Amino acid sequence: ELKVEQNPLFLSMQEGKNYTIYCNYSTTSDRLYWYRQDPGKSLESLFVLLSNGAVKQEGRLMASLDTKARLSTLHITAAVHDLSATYFCAVGGLTGGGNKLTFGTGTQLKVEL
Amino acid sequence: EAGVAQSPRYKIIEKRQSVAFWCNPISGHATLYWYQQILGQGPKLLIQFQNNGVVDDSQLPKDRFSAERLKGVDSTLKIQPAKLEDSAVYLCASRPPGVRWNEQFFGPGTRLTVL
Repeated sequence: ELKVEQNPLFLSMQEGKNYTIYCNYSTTSDRLYWYRQDPGKSLESLFVLLSNGAVKQEGRLMASLDTKARLSTLHITAAVHDLSATYFCAVGGLTGGGNKLTFGTGTQLKVEL
Repeated sequence: EAGVAQSPRYKIIEKRQSVAFWCNPISGHATLYWYQQILGQGPKLLIQFQNNGVVDDSQLPKDRFSAERLKGVDSTLKIQPAKLEDSAVYLCASRPPGVRWNEQFFGPGTRLTVL
């Protein structure tokens, strides 16, 4: 059974600081997704990583994938309050007809003003 | 482009009652998913449809949960009878056709409270 672990589970940081969220998974996959969820809201797609060594950046967020280490990272540069949310990674796996996502437990990020 | 629509947004029922949720995916999206998200956890896949056929329902508690997707568009998820542990947000998602690795687009969810 595929296990997806994120750490830390909770992260409180000051504006302007840098930090990294880690996503480890237990079986081979080369498809990794990052989503953002605001309180009471649904999930918003941030990044889709589809190969070993893939790196994608959007604003202050950068995601990378190391399939050999079964590790993805989400790096936050110079955090701002608007980044406060819960971040989920999800690993893609094949089902009969498409892509099945197994989500991590989430990292709750709070950026202090 | 309209997003994934779900209703109702909130539902409160007593245990052993029945409840149904509705989902309308993004137009043209053949693949539809239902997830259960318990407070403080990541979403867990319950069932996946491709058009109106079930692709994966391995994690669906079939003794009480059922889902259908008639005509390959809208879908309903039903719980009968509900248990306390079914309290969660039920998320519907859909995926564009073509590349299987495309990301899924999520609806706003239905928050279910079972008393």
